[in-house]
Amino acid sequence: GQNIDQPTEMTATEGAIVQINCTYQTSGFNGLFWYQQHAGEAPTFLSYNVLDGLEEKGRFSSFLSRSKGYSYLLLKELQMKDSASYLCALMDSNYQLIWGAGTKLIIKP
Amino acid sequence: IAGITQAPTSQILAAGRRMTLRCTQDMRHNAMYWYRQDLGLGLRLIHYSNTAGTTGKGEVPDGYSVSRANTDDFPLTLASAVPSQTSVYFCASSESGGLATDTQYFGPGTRLTVL
Repeated sequence: GQNIDQPTEMTATEGAIVQINCTYQTSGFNGLFWYQQHAGEAPTFLSYNVLDGLEEKGRFSSFLSRSKGYSYLLLKELQMKDSASYLCALMDSNYQLIWGAGTKLIIKP
Repeated sequence: IAGITQAPTSQILAAGRRMTLRCTQDMRHNAMYWYRQDLGLGLRLIHYSNTAGTTGKGEVPDGYSVSRANTDDFPLTLASAVPSQTSVYFCASSESGGLATDTQYFGPGTRLTVL
């Protein structure tokens, strides 16, 4: 079967850096996605990793290690608007997304 | 219309009633999806469609049905609503379906309460 784990909640300070971890177990893997979801809104796409390593997009970076079943999302220069839930999702062998429960990130001034 | 729209935005429904949630996209995406999102749980796939005329069951299909008569519309029907179907429902679409790089784009959601 498949399983995805990410912390339920994290707190960070405006201007700082935060790393949100995601670990997974799966029998088939076709990539890992990160989405951002503000309260009461729809999830929006942030990043996709299918090969090991770091993908950088402005203030956001995502890392993948397939051998360890591990990914993280790194947010730099945190802004208040980054307060949201961050959803980790893996694409399984049937090309369907399996979603983690999400990490609620609280940014304090 | 730009992107994906869903209707209604929210609804309170008596148990046993029939309800159809509407979803329309204008991106000419081939694949469409219905998810439910419950507190403390990840998004769970209800049904999907990789192309017009075809549908498939996701992780939690019981009590729900879908149809895909054309590319743009993907309605979700609850034949006889039960309180456990109280949730936020998101419709999503992607260009292809069945590709590893296929990014899903989400509608604004429908908040459904079944009493």
